[in-house]
Amino acid sequence: DQQVKQNSPSLSVQEGRISILNCDYTNSMFDYFLWYKKYPAEGPTFLISISSIKDKNEDGRFTVFLNKSAKHLSLHIVPSQPGDSAVYFCAAQRNNAGNMLTFGGGTRLMVKP
Amino acid sequence: DTAVSQTPKYLVTQMGNDKSIKCEQNLGHDTMYWYKQDSKKFLKIMFSYNNKELIINETVPNRFSPKSPDKAHLNLHINSLELGDSAVYFCASSLRTYEQYFGPGTRLTVT
Repeated sequence: DQQVKQNSPSLSVQEGRISILNCDYTNSMFDYFLWYKKYPAEGPTFLISISSIKDKNEDGRFTVFLNKSAKHLSLHIVPSQPGDSAVYFCAAQRNNAGNMLTFGGGTRLMVKP
Repeated sequence: DTAVSQTPKYLVTQMGNDKSIKCEQNLGHDTMYWYKQDSKKFLKIMFSYNNKELIINETVPNRFSPKSPDKAHLNLHINSLELGDSAVYFCASSLRTYEQYFGPGTRLTVT
């Protein structure tokens, strides 16, 4: 039973436009959410996070939005760059659960020049 | 100045063998983890460990065991390897509840 889902396996965007990656979760006990970026043959790299007490967090070109009532979060990348092409994983964490992350299945983003 | 390192990067072995994957972090983190990425590319937590507590994902077979000689290392031992153990294994570390930093992964192939 997947508690964190990324329903779009891939996304193609033109350079300079906005990329929007979506993530849904089912477990209401999750209280911290993270986005990771992964290149082939490398480990995931932390990108941005958001606590469940907030609805938005911004870091440069990256913004994460959280809608708790809908159990939905999204990552916006503006403007998208070719170097952003990678697989993006959404992850969720429960307090008092050993900080273990539950990951979504990933979305492959391709930014075309 | 690698933050989280794993050895070996590739491991090919036969069914029934016992193998270990080593992980080291030089970030001064207090918690380390092992994740498995299967053939469908899903990343799943296996263990979370700090010097006080080991938390095991209940789906992990007891053939898998983490061993930590000190705070900077968390090695993964696998006994009686099976074909289904073939995957990429990632080590990660964090400081308390903050973001986790991942190693480059070890691709295990069981033949």
